[in-house]
Amino acid sequence: DAGVIQSPRHEVTEMGQEVTLRCKPISGHDYLFWYRQTMMRGLELLIYFNNNVPIDDSGMPEDRFSAKMPNASFSTLKIQPSEPRDSAVYFCASTYTGGPGNTIYFGEGSWLTVV
Amino acid sequence: AQSVTQLGSHVSVSEGALVLLRCNYSSSVPPYLFWYVQYPNQGLQLLLKYTTGATLVKGINGFEAEFKKSETSFHLTKPSAHMSDAAEYFCAVRSLGSSNTGKLIFGQGTTLQVKP
Repeated sequence: DAGVIQSPRHEVTEMGQEVTLRCKPISGHDYLFWYRQTMMRGLELLIYFNNNVPIDDSGMPEDRFSAKMPNASFSTLKIQPSEPRDSAVYFCASTYTGGPGNTIYFGEGSWLTVV
Repeated sequence: AQSVTQLGSHVSVSEGALVLLRCNYSSSVPPYLFWYVQYPNQGLQLLLKYTTGATLVKGINGFEAEFKKSETSFHLTKPSAHMSDAAEYFCAVRSLGSSNTGKLIFGQGTTLQVKP
């Protein structure tokens, strides 16, 4: 299996621009998570989906952030407009919850820099 | 609510020395515990996990961890550090509870430095 695939791997954008991060979970997985990693705050869960339905978006920092999962094999995290404080690594992860001990697999991350 | 505390944001050991990374958790229901490793500029990779059964869990790269319910701990150890072990290590708890959320709650991470 190819694992969780994220794109782009690196993005540099100007403040105010729209940023779209993409994720393809592992085939057959029914949970998808978006995490953000920063030096100051560590790894934060932003939102997660179960069977393409958003379950908990309490970690989304503000209305500038939105996430969608139109089908089982694709999700996006959008920031509009972007701000320098959004600079971080954004990880997508997925798992199959046939059992609670199932491993959550992470993608390689999208390194976002907003200047 | 579940939480994870990793004691020590930075740990430095000499090559060949014992590695001990500490993790304590808080959970109102039986926890499922994980250690992930993150190498520079890479994603998170599972090292090992505890679900049920044997409390001493062995993982990849010679790491192991022991679940101690009485101490609410899940410390990560490796008998002999290698230069390639230098990375950031994250302890995480996944507790379904009544809501069956399945999400991971991470500690703040511990950076392991290995000196030659």
